[in-house]
Amino acid sequence: EDQVTQSPEALRLQEGESSSLNCSYTVSGLRGLFWYRQDPGKGPEFLFTLYSAGEEKEKERLKATLTKKESFLHITAPKPEDSATYLCAAASTDSWGKLQFGAGTQVVVTP
Amino acid sequence: DTAVSQTPKYLVTQMGNDKSIKCEQNLGHDTMYWYKQDSKKFLKIMFSYNNKELIINETVPNRFSPKSPDKAHLNLHINSLELGDSAVYFCASSQGIMNTEAFFGQGTRLTVV
Repeated sequence: EDQVTQSPEALRLQEGESSSLNCSYTVSGLRGLFWYRQDPGKGPEFLFTLYSAGEEKEKERLKATLTKKESFLHITAPKPEDSATYLCAAASTDSWGKLQFGAGTQVVVTP
Repeated sequence: DTAVSQTPKYLVTQMGNDKSIKCEQNLGHDTMYWYKQDSKKFLKIMFSYNNKELIINETVPNRFSPKSPDKAHLNLHINSLELGDSAVYFCASSQGIMNTEAFFGQGTRLTVV
């Protein structure tokens, strides 16, 4: 059965203190690994899609990387506006359009 | 101009009632989804429609019935509501069933009392 596990559950950072979030996945055949950001009371907002091991993508202070078993979301010099829950999701080659989400990592960045 | 919009945003209702949640997208996408986010924040897919055809139907009680009148709309009707149905329901859309980038609505918080 496809499974996505995120760690840590929660992360509290000082402004400027870089850190990484982990997403471990077990899927029958990875078609894509997705990162979303969710703010309280809102729907998830798409950040990145990674398709193959070794791939990296960046957006402002965020950088996502992918290996054969896990993905990392690196937050470099975070600001308070980076506070959110970050969700990881995997899509397998044999499940059309279905995203298997992890429980998310809640990130709080304090000034 | 909202890309994926759901109504209502909040819904409080009594057990046993029937209710509907509406979703509309103006992105021109051909695939729409319903996801449920429970109290532990897990997002789980419920249904998916591609060009008005049901393509994903997860293990969901048959009290839940989706309806897609056209590619831009996907509604969710729930019969005989139960306490355990309380959750946040998200509508999403994407171009193509390969779902490379899904856009989500703001969610409907359903509370059954």
